[in-house]
Amino acid sequence: GAGVSQSPRYKVAKRGQDVALRCDPISGHVSLFWYQQALGQGPEFLTYFQNEAQLDKSGLPSDRFFAERPEGSVSTLKIQRTQQEDSAVYLCASSPGQGSYTGELFFGEGSRLTVL
Amino acid sequence: AQSVTQPDIHITVSEGASLELRCNYSYGATPYLFWYVQSPGQGLQLLLKYFSGDTLVQGIKGFEAEFKRSQSSFNLRKPSVHWSDAAEYFCAVGPPGGSYIPTFGRGTSLIVHP
Repeated sequence: GAGVSQSPRYKVAKRGQDVALRCDPISGHVSLFWYQQALGQGPEFLTYFQNEAQLDKSGLPSDRFFAERPEGSVSTLKIQRTQQEDSAVYLCASSPGQGSYTGELFFGEGSRLTVL
Repeated sequence: AQSVTQPDIHITVSEGASLELRCNYSYGATPYLFWYVQSPGQGLQLLLKYFSGDTLVQGIKGFEAEFKRSQSSFNLRKPSVHWSDAAEYFCAVGPPGGSYIPTFGRGTSLIVHP
């Protein structure tokens, strides 16, 4: 497809379960971002990749959160031992730019995680 | 650290009326500024952006925004709102050059009455 694809679109997990959220960015896009969007809030930065390198993970809320992009394309956000406060929409965005700023992020539709 | 304030959580307008959504930023220099729109169940879509130059920028769907350095503001406007404009609107700020992770405001929900 032409856009950023995220899966699953909806995930319900029991507290303590591990979850994995996938992001397939636009082909050729160098930069990839993960954001967390709680209900009624704006997107909060989690982590950023340039190709396969994770250049910034300062927004990851705890060591239960882990992200990877091993081949510089598809990325996975993994949350271990989920807690209720992890319930949110997880947004993935990609951008063709590297280094200097190009401006536009292209967002996927998000993965809505509900932890019971 | 950069930050973005969108003081209005909800805005209600009648179809055909004009619209202005407020955005204020805090940053040491002139940042890159953006407005994104999010329709229900959809990802964010870029409406317009400001990097430099003309302080009045035109975007898609008939939207425009004006950068006012003295007020640290980047307000979004539309002269005549359509029912399909009902959505969540996010202002974002990014540092120019180098690491450029955008920071988003909390959003303003636009409700359009017929």
